[in-house]
Amino acid sequence: DTAVSQTPKYLVTQMGNDKSIKCEQNLGHDTMYWYKQDSKKFLKIMFSYNNKELIINETVPNRFSPKSPDKAHLNLHINSLELGDSAVYFCASSQVRKNSPLHFGNGTRLTVT
Amino acid sequence: AQSVTQLGSHVSVSEGALVLLRCNYSSSVPPYLFWYVQYPNQGLQLLLKYTSAATLVKGINGFEAEFKKSETSFHLTKPSAHMSDAAEYFCAVSQEDQGGKLIFGQGTELSVKP
Repeated sequence: DTAVSQTPKYLVTQMGNDKSIKCEQNLGHDTMYWYKQDSKKFLKIMFSYNNKELIINETVPNRFSPKSPDKAHLNLHINSLELGDSAVYFCASSQVRKNSPLHFGNGTRLTVT
Repeated sequence: AQSVTQLGSHVSVSEGALVLLRCNYSSSVPPYLFWYVQYPNQGLQLLLKYTSAATLVKGINGFEAEFKKSETSFHLTKPSAHMSDAAEYFCAVSQEDQGGKLIFGQGTELSVKP
């Protein structure tokens, strides 16, 4: 029983293409996140959704559009992919209350050629 | 604004030696602090968290961390390193009313020599 699952695990595509990454959590959490990990392993938050509402958008380009059909799912769609989008994207979830830790998926390694 | 600094991007210890990974934070209000571990090609796994109930926090796999407000530090230690501890370690901070957002340090890669 995977708590936070992302698909696909690997994604190789060409510049200019549009791609999506899917995320699902079965922990009953009310908040989900997307983080980006660059080649130096630095982790930065991109978005978070609480009960399907966007609550954090960290100045991510408009080409990135998260969608949350329900509180158990948070998908990430990326338009017009660029070389600089190559990274590992992590989905996470938590209960938004004091000190609630994030639970992470295993990541999606996106390579743009 | 919150921030986290991990001193040393790479730490190497011998098997059986003490592990010390350093983390300093900056926060205008009492922070919530976490240590995560990332094994190769995997997601992040929670090691431990600071709850404000106790300054010495015990986590999984024999790790512990001590919150020192006067030093704004939350260093991670383990008395005796195992080969299986080799991984990337991240310190993170969050604040109340920040929507659960975690701010991560740069990470420290731990190598364990036989």
